[in-house]
Amino acid sequence: KAGVTQTPRYLIKTRGQQVTLSCSPISGHRSVSWYQQTPGQGLQFLFEYFSETQRNKGNFPGRFSGRQFSNSRSEMNVSTLELGDSALYLCASSHSPSGRFKETQYFGPGTRLLVL
Amino acid sequence: AQSVTQLDSQVPVFEEAPVELRCNYSSSVSVYLFWYVQYPNQGLQLLLKYLSGSTLVKGINGFEAEFNKSQTSFHLRKPSVHISDTAEYFCAVTTHQGGSEKLVFGKGTKLTVNP
Repeated sequence: KAGVTQTPRYLIKTRGQQVTLSCSPISGHRSVSWYQQTPGQGLQFLFEYFSETQRNKGNFPGRFSGRQFSNSRSEMNVSTLELGDSALYLCASSHSPSGRFKETQYFGPGTRLLVL
Repeated sequence: AQSVTQLDSQVPVFEEAPVELRCNYSSSVSVYLFWYVQYPNQGLQLLLKYLSGSTLVKGINGFEAEFNKSQTSFHLRKPSVHISDTAEYFCAVTTHQGGSEKLVFGKGTKLTVNP
Protein backbone atom coordinates (compact mmCIF):
# COMPACT_ATOMS: atom_id res chain seq x y z
CA LYS A 1 0.00 0.00 0.00
CA ALA A 2 1.46 3.36 -0.98
CA GLY A 3 2.09 5.82 1.83
CA VAL A 4 1.09 9.44 2.14
CA THR A 5 2.62 11.55 -0.61
CA GLN A 6 3.17 15.27 -0.58
CA THR A 7 4.08 17.55 -3.46
CA PRO A 8 6.19 19.46 -3.98
CA ARG A 9 8.89 18.40 -1.52
CA TYR A 10 10.65 21.76 -1.60
CA LEU A 11 9.43 25.22 -2.46
CA ILE A 12 10.88 28.72 -2.43
CA LYS A 13 8.57 31.71 -2.49
CA THR A 14 8.83 35.42 -1.75
CA ARG A 15 6.87 37.47 0.73
CA GLY A 16 3.38 38.37 -0.42
CA GLN A 17 3.03 35.43 -2.77
CA GLN A 18 0.62 32.60 -2.23
CA VAL A 19 1.35 28.87 -2.27
CA THR A 20 -0.60 25.64 -2.64
CA LEU A 21 0.62 22.35 -1.23
CA SER A 22 -0.83 18.97 -2.09
CA CYS A 23 -1.32 15.80 -0.08
CA SER A 24 -2.49 12.39 -1.30
CA PRO A 25 -3.59 10.15 1.57
CA ILE A 26 -3.27 6.40 1.88
CA SER A 27 -5.91 4.66 -0.19
CA GLY A 28 -9.12 4.30 1.83
CA HIS A 29 -8.28 7.02 4.34
CA ARG A 30 -10.82 9.83 4.42
CA SER A 31 -9.24 12.03 7.06
CA VAL A 32 -6.37 14.36 6.20
CA SER A 33 -4.71 16.61 8.77
CA TRP A 34 -2.14 19.34 8.19
CA TYR A 35 0.64 20.43 10.54
CA GLN A 36 3.28 23.15 10.51
CA GLN A 37 6.70 22.35 11.95
CA THR A 38 9.18 25.11 12.78
CA PRO A 39 12.25 25.15 15.04
CA GLY A 40 10.70 27.82 17.25
CA GLN A 41 7.09 26.71 17.58
CA GLY A 42 7.52 22.98 17.02
CA LEU A 43 4.67 21.00 15.55
CA GLN A 44 1.35 22.80 15.36
CA PHE A 45 -1.97 21.49 14.13
CA LEU A 46 -3.49 23.48 11.29
CA PHE A 47 -6.72 21.70 10.37
CA GLU A 48 -8.31 18.38 9.55
CA TYR A 49 -10.59 17.45 6.68
CA PHE A 50 -12.92 14.50 6.45
CA SER A 51 -15.14 13.73 3.48
CA GLU A 52 -14.49 17.15 1.92
CA THR A 53 -15.45 19.04 5.11
CA GLN A 54 -13.21 20.78 7.60
CA ARG A 55 -13.86 18.95 10.83
CA ASN A 56 -11.24 20.30 13.23
CA LYS A 57 -9.23 23.49 13.22
CA GLY A 58 -6.14 24.82 14.97
CA ASN A 59 -5.29 28.40 15.86
CA PHE A 60 -3.92 29.79 12.62
CA PRO A 61 -4.95 32.97 10.81
CA GLY A 62 -7.33 32.92 7.88
CA ARG A 63 -4.40 33.15 5.43
CA PHE A 64 -4.11 29.41 5.95
CA SER A 65 -6.87 27.48 4.26
CA GLY A 66 -7.45 24.05 2.89
CA ARG A 67 -9.79 21.87 0.99
CA GLN A 68 -10.37 18.22 0.30
CA PHE A 69 -11.56 16.62 -2.89
CA SER A 70 -13.92 13.70 -3.40
CA ASN A 71 -10.96 11.33 -3.81
CA SER A 72 -9.71 12.48 -0.35
CA ARG A 73 -6.70 14.31 -1.76
CA SER A 74 -6.19 17.57 0.06
CA GLU A 75 -4.61 20.91 -0.68
CA MET A 76 -3.42 23.56 1.68
CA ASN A 77 -3.15 27.19 0.62
CA VAL A 78 -1.28 30.01 2.27
CA SER A 79 -1.96 33.49 0.95
CA THR A 80 0.15 36.61 1.41
CA LEU A 81 3.19 34.69 2.57
CA GLU A 82 5.24 36.03 5.48
CA LEU A 83 8.84 35.18 6.41
CA GLY A 84 7.50 33.34 9.47
CA ASP A 85 5.61 30.92 7.25
CA SER A 86 8.90 29.21 6.39
CA ALA A 87 8.42 25.73 7.76
CA LEU A 88 8.02 22.05 7.07
CA TYR A 89 4.38 21.36 6.32
CA LEU A 90 3.29 17.83 7.11
CA CYS A 91 0.10 16.11 6.24
CA ALA A 92 -1.22 12.94 7.80
CA SER A 93 -4.03 10.61 6.88
CA SER A 94 -6.13 8.19 8.90
CA HIS A 95 -9.46 6.38 8.88
CA SER A 96 -10.86 8.45 11.76
CA PRO A 97 -14.58 8.13 11.17
CA SER A 98 -15.25 9.33 14.73
CA GLY A 99 -13.54 12.68 14.43
CA ARG A 100 -11.32 11.78 17.36
CA PHE A 101 -7.57 11.53 17.00
CA LYS A 102 -7.33 8.08 18.49
CA GLU A 103 -6.89 6.39 15.13
CA THR A 104 -3.31 6.14 13.96
CA GLN A 105 -2.20 8.95 11.72
CA TYR A 106 0.24 8.21 8.91
CA PHE A 107 2.47 11.11 8.02
CA GLY A 108 3.91 12.12 4.69
CA PRO A 109 7.52 13.31 4.28
CA GLY A 110 6.46 16.95 4.23
CA THR A 111 6.89 19.99 2.01
CA ARG A 112 9.68 22.32 3.04
CA LEU A 113 8.66 25.91 2.29
CA LEU A 114 11.17 28.75 2.35
CA VAL A 115 9.83 32.29 2.18
CA LEU A 116 12.36 34.95 1.15
CA ALA B 1 -6.04 24.27 26.96
CA GLN B 2 -3.86 21.21 26.89
CA SER B 3 -0.11 21.53 26.90
CA VAL B 4 2.69 19.02 26.64
CA THR B 5 6.11 19.42 28.22
CA GLN B 6 9.05 17.32 27.13
CA LEU B 7 11.52 17.92 29.87
CA ASP B 8 14.70 17.23 27.91
CA SER B 9 15.41 18.81 24.57
CA GLN B 10 18.44 16.58 23.97
CA VAL B 11 19.37 13.18 25.37
CA PRO B 12 22.74 11.61 24.50
CA VAL B 13 23.24 7.96 25.40
CA PHE B 14 25.61 5.16 24.54
CA GLU B 15 24.55 2.19 22.47
CA GLU B 16 22.92 -0.64 24.47
CA ALA B 17 22.20 1.69 27.40
CA PRO B 18 18.64 2.19 28.65
CA VAL B 19 16.87 5.46 27.92
CA GLU B 20 13.86 7.33 29.26
CA LEU B 21 12.34 10.32 27.49
CA ARG B 22 10.08 12.29 29.74
CA CYS B 23 6.70 13.79 28.91
CA ASN B 24 4.24 15.61 31.13
CA TYR B 25 0.89 16.99 30.08
CA SER B 26 -1.68 19.28 31.60
CA SER B 27 -5.20 18.00 31.59
CA SER B 28 -8.31 17.82 33.68
CA VAL B 29 -10.13 15.45 31.40
CA SER B 30 -9.50 12.12 29.77
CA VAL B 31 -7.07 12.33 26.90
CA TYR B 32 -5.37 10.20 24.32
CA LEU B 33 -1.55 10.17 24.46
CA PHE B 34 0.96 9.41 21.74
CA TRP B 35 4.66 9.12 21.06
CA TYR B 36 5.94 9.78 17.55
CA VAL B 37 9.44 9.48 16.11
CA GLN B 38 10.90 11.59 13.33
CA TYR B 39 14.02 10.46 11.50
CA PRO B 40 16.04 13.10 9.61
CA ASN B 41 14.25 14.46 6.54
CA GLN B 42 11.22 12.28 7.12
CA GLY B 43 7.70 12.63 8.43
CA LEU B 44 6.51 11.33 11.77
CA GLN B 45 5.90 7.71 12.61
CA LEU B 46 3.71 6.51 15.45
CA LEU B 47 5.63 4.58 18.12
CA LEU B 48 2.76 3.90 20.49
CA LYS B 49 -0.45 5.34 21.90
CA TYR B 50 -2.51 5.22 25.05
CA LEU B 51 -6.27 5.36 24.65
CA SER B 52 -7.52 3.52 27.74
CA GLY B 53 -6.98 0.35 29.73
CA SER B 54 -3.57 -0.93 30.76
CA THR B 55 -1.26 1.90 31.72
CA LEU B 56 1.78 0.17 30.24
CA VAL B 57 1.78 0.50 26.49
CA LYS B 58 4.14 -1.37 24.21
CA GLY B 59 5.06 0.02 20.84
CA ILE B 60 7.27 -0.66 17.87
CA ASN B 61 11.06 -1.03 17.90
CA GLY B 62 11.11 -2.17 21.54
CA PHE B 63 9.75 1.06 23.00
CA GLU B 64 7.19 1.23 25.78
CA ALA B 65 5.53 3.99 27.77
CA GLU B 66 3.68 4.20 31.06
CA PHE B 67 0.64 6.37 31.58
CA ASN B 68 0.57 7.85 35.08
CA LYS B 69 -2.64 9.75 35.65
CA SER B 70 -1.74 11.08 39.10
CA GLN B 71 1.53 12.53 37.85
CA THR B 72 0.09 13.42 34.40
CA SER B 73 3.07 11.79 32.78
CA PHE B 74 3.64 9.51 29.81
CA HIS B 75 7.36 8.69 29.78
CA LEU B 76 8.90 6.68 26.95
CA ARG B 77 11.44 3.97 27.71
CA LYS B 78 13.66 1.51 25.94
CA PRO B 79 15.87 -0.95 27.84
CA SER B 80 18.66 -1.04 25.26
CA VAL B 81 19.05 1.49 22.46
CA HIS B 82 20.67 1.11 19.05
CA ILE B 83 22.45 3.58 16.83
CA SER B 84 19.39 3.48 14.57
CA ASP B 85 17.24 4.94 17.35
CA THR B 86 18.92 8.30 16.82
CA ALA B 87 16.02 10.58 15.94
CA GLU B 88 13.69 13.19 17.37
CA TYR B 89 10.83 11.99 19.56
CA PHE B 90 7.58 13.83 20.09
CA CYS B 91 4.97 13.35 22.77
CA ALA B 92 1.42 14.42 21.86
CA VAL B 93 -1.96 14.69 23.55
CA THR B 94 -5.42 15.24 22.18
CA THR B 95 -7.33 18.29 23.27
CA HIS B 96 -10.98 19.11 22.80
CA GLN B 97 -11.86 22.77 22.62
CA GLY B 98 -14.94 24.57 21.37
CA GLY B 99 -16.33 21.52 19.65
CA SER B 100 -13.10 20.89 17.83
CA GLU B 101 -10.40 18.36 18.56
CA LYS B 102 -6.74 18.72 17.81
CA LEU B 103 -3.42 17.11 18.58
CA VAL B 104 -0.96 19.10 20.68
CA PHE B 105 2.71 18.19 20.43
CA GLY B 106 5.61 18.73 22.77
CA LYS B 107 8.73 20.51 21.53
CA GLY B 108 10.51 17.23 20.94
CA THR B 109 13.51 15.41 22.39
CA LYS B 110 16.52 14.70 20.21
CA LEU B 111 17.92 11.31 21.10
CA THR B 112 21.50 10.71 20.02
CA VAL B 113 22.86 7.21 20.42
CA ASN B 114 26.65 7.09 20.41
CA PRO B 115 28.80 4.00 19.74
